[in-house]
Amino acid sequence: AQSVAQPEDQVNVAEGNPLTVKCTYSVSGNPYLFWYVQYPNRGLQFLLKYITGDNLVKGSYGFEAEFNKSQTSFHLKKPSALVSDSALYFCAVRDTGGGADGLTFGKGTHLIIQP
Amino acid sequence: DTAVSQTPKYLVTQMGNDKSIKCEQNLGHDTMYWYKQDSKKFLKIMFSYNNKELIINETVPNRFSPKSPDKAHLNLHINSLELGDSAVYFCASSQELGGTGPSNSYNEQFFGPGTRLTVL
Repeated sequence: AQSVAQPEDQVNVAEGNPLTVKCTYSVSGNPYLFWYVQYPNRGLQFLLKYITGDNLVKGSYGFEAEFNKSQTSFHLKKPSALVSDSALYFCAVRDTGGGADGLTFGKGTHLIIQP
Repeated sequence: DTAVSQTPKYLVTQMGNDKSIKCEQNLGHDTMYWYKQDSKKFLKIMFSYNNKELIINETVPNRFSPKSPDKAHLNLHINSLELGDSAVYFCASSQELGGTGPSNSYNEQFFGPGTRLTVL
């Protein structure tokens, strides 16, 4: 079985400061890892993914994430936060077993960027 | 040019009724999904489907059934609605077959805007 943990319900960051949203995962095989963002009353928007290759993945809106196999982590980062980054962020995982498996999501982390 | 669309956006109905939510994707993807997001924002996979297999999350009641008339559509039918079915339902699609790699869009799931179902 696969699982995702986002240990923080909420992260508060001042505008202009770096931000980190934490994610750890558990899968039986190799993971496909994803970050999505959800704005109020909207669907989920894809930010970035790790499938294979470089551990540092760059995505939309200046976000990046680092895959760390030994720590089974995939933390989301951004060097300088914007107020418009305030939203609900989901980490998700899929086992690379192939087939039409859905994603397993973490419970989400509210990111609040203070002006 | 909406990539993944759902109708209706809002659905209010009485307990015991049967309802359907439609989903269409114009991305040419081979796989579609239904997710349920509850009031605490927890997202859970309900179904995933491509033209070869339907994978059902074992926790989904059999009152819920997906129906796919063609590759671009995956509709969700719900029989005998219950209060606990109230949630936001998201459809998604992705391209799973044909290769993997970080520089392409394979395996990324594109989500619809959601359907807020309220059962009274």
